[in-house]
Amino acid sequence: DAGVTQSPTHLIKTRGQQVTLRCSPKSGHDTVSWYQQALGQGPQFIFQYYEEEERQRGNFPDRFSGHQFPNYSSELNVNALLLGDSALYLCASSLGPSGSFIGELFFGEGSRLTVL
Amino acid sequence: AQSVSQHNHHVILSEAASLELGCNYSYGGTVNLFWYVQYPGQHLQLLLKYFSGDPLVKGIKGFEAEFIKSKFSFNLRKPSVQWSDTAEYFCAVNAGDYGGSQGNLIFGKGTKLSVKP
Repeated sequence: DAGVTQSPTHLIKTRGQQVTLRCSPKSGHDTVSWYQQALGQGPQFIFQYYEEEERQRGNFPDRFSGHQFPNYSSELNVNALLLGDSALYLCASSLGPSGSFIGELFFGEGSRLTVL
Repeated sequence: AQSVSQHNHHVILSEAASLELGCNYSYGGTVNLFWYVQYPGQHLQLLLKYFSGDPLVKGIKGFEAEFIKSKFSFNLRKPSVQWSDTAEYFCAVNAGDYGGSQGNLIFGKGTKLSVKP
């Protein structure tokens, strides 16, 4: 049973560039949430996708956008990268939006983004 | 704004020592509480959770946590740690009711636990 898979695992960008991160949810899951984990910090909620729509959003600027595809996979896009965007980006999947509410979130290993 | 505080950044213990990791949250309403663990090189995974009922909850691998509402705390405990418990531990809160915050887990900064063999 495949868990949550994310790609790429590591990437380096320069300020001002754009990046796309990808996530395939755990088999059977239909909801994807994205978190940003800066060094020495806990994960911070970016947004959640369900039925191909953004359902909830954390305190992140519009430079952060996402998409969910009919097969439930998801992308996180960040435009106009800043040095402060350097972080581990975690994808988490659940069965329905309530899955994360009840703690049934399954996390991927993350994509580590370095912005120079 | 809701927040979660974890008191210890790094805890170092010898095997068989007892463990208690502190967690406090700031929110006056109904909360769901969680502890997640991240073993070296692995993904975050759920250790235990509290929704309601018995404030003492038991999780995997012998961990337990106690919800003390009056103290806004949800401390994690284990009577006797093993080297394999070396990991980073995150306390998290989902505040509000089902309709209000479905996807929004608020995490603490984490506590690194190093267990010496």
